[in-house]
Amino acid sequence: ETGVTQTPRHLVMGMTNKKSLKCEQHLGHNAMYWYKQSAKKPLELMFVYNFKEQTENNSVPSRFSPECPNSSHLFLHLHTLQPEDSALYLCASSSGTGDTGELFFGEGSRLTVL
Amino acid sequence: GQNIDQPTEMTATEGAIVQINCTYQTSGFNGLFWYQQHAGEAPTFLSYNVLDGLEEKGRFSSFLSRSKGYSYLLLKELQMKDSASYLCAVRDGNYQLIWGAGTKLIIKP
Repeated sequence: ETGVTQTPRHLVMGMTNKKSLKCEQHLGHNAMYWYKQSAKKPLELMFVYNFKEQTENNSVPSRFSPECPNSSHLFLHLHTLQPEDSALYLCASSSGTGDTGELFFGEGSRLTVL
Repeated sequence: GQNIDQPTEMTATEGAIVQINCTYQTSGFNGLFWYQQHAGEAPTFLSYNVLDGLEEKGRFSSFLSRSKGYSYLLLKELQMKDSASYLCAVRDGNYQLIWGAGTKLIIKP
């Protein structure tokens, strides 16, 4: 139990579907992140939120749309995805101040796009 | 460009010692992290090095040489539960995390 909870753990969707991934952290952290993890590739940072404000968007296609309604919750809205978007999507949080800045990850949402 | 290199896969025997290497080329340096990720689970923080030298934490140790752009993670008295992927990440001069692709460690009885 890392204090970061992601739902759903598994998701299968067609290319025309719309779905959302949810992340919740119970650690009182100020920063939240979405990462994409593909087999045998480095983690790819997608979005960063600090105090609910988006501070980073790493040239992610617009078919991925993040939402951060408060500092404890983060969503990733998905629409018209492509098969190459199939991957593990990891949410993480950090306190961002006064420590190593280590990330606390959720267990991820395994996405399959048909 | 910025780059982190680590072996794709390693195999070791239960009870033995294994060293997982990580070399990096980044624009600036503000610390190096090691994370452990069991299959189907979240990556979890193992260690952080920002100064040269060895940091020991129980059976795990992490070493850093900034002049060589090199780190290693040393695992002693290997147990079957140590079978996992080990991710190396460097925080660059802009405080961005650059990740390696991970090393899958297989422990055999």
